[in-house]
Amino acid sequence: SAVISQKPSRDICQRGTSLTIQCQVDSQVTMMFWYRQQPGQSLTLIATANQGSEATYESGFVIDKFPISRPNLTFSTLTVSNMSPEDSSIYLCSVDKGEGGHYGYTFGSGTRLTVV
Amino acid sequence: EDKVVQSPLSLVVHEGDTVTLNCSYEVTNFRSLLWYKQEKKAPTFLFMLTSSGIEKKSGRLSSILDKKELFSILNITATQTGDSAVYLCAVNSGGYQKVTFGTGTKLQVIP
Repeated sequence: SAVISQKPSRDICQRGTSLTIQCQVDSQVTMMFWYRQQPGQSLTLIATANQGSEATYESGFVIDKFPISRPNLTFSTLTVSNMSPEDSSIYLCSVDKGEGGHYGYTFGSGTRLTVV
Repeated sequence: EDKVVQSPLSLVVHEGDTVTLNCSYEVTNFRSLLWYKQEKKAPTFLFMLTSSGIEKKSGRLSSILDKKELFSILNITATQTGDSAVYLCAVNSGGYQKVTFGTGTKLQVIP
């Protein structure tokens, strides 16, 4: 299965600023996924990033707030823009495992973001 | 809207106990059910289940799926303190690679 390096591991940021999270995969993958996990909650999909096209955002998430880049098949970034304390969460990238048409995700190590 | 519900929300057991975690789902075009263990930030993959009645086993952990009744269980026997974690259930559904997560069961194993 793929190995994903995600950074930063954690950060404390001032409200109104932006943070860019990076994920590097050790093999080429078609799709990369970005999740948010708010305190005490489960994982919520933010968007799906395909190489060479715009990311597909889930309901409730917009590109201006969470711009995503996918410059090649092994790398993606998620930016959390104009942060507020409500953005304090764990952010996770993941790639599909893709076995025989069934998808199970491998996750990066996560970024714990605290906005003050 | 797809839904995945886990129970109990939290559980405290003593080392050596056996626990059963439950996951029920309502989704369109079920493809597979997934179990994960989340200790700090990143969930780690445990099992993928696609067929009813076939138990998957890994050491002290096992899981089974009932596609008729739309649920799955995760069993952990002879629990150890290292089993303390949040266990997440997720369902892959639809033509799009959509995975819906439950809110998890927080397991605490005390010595």
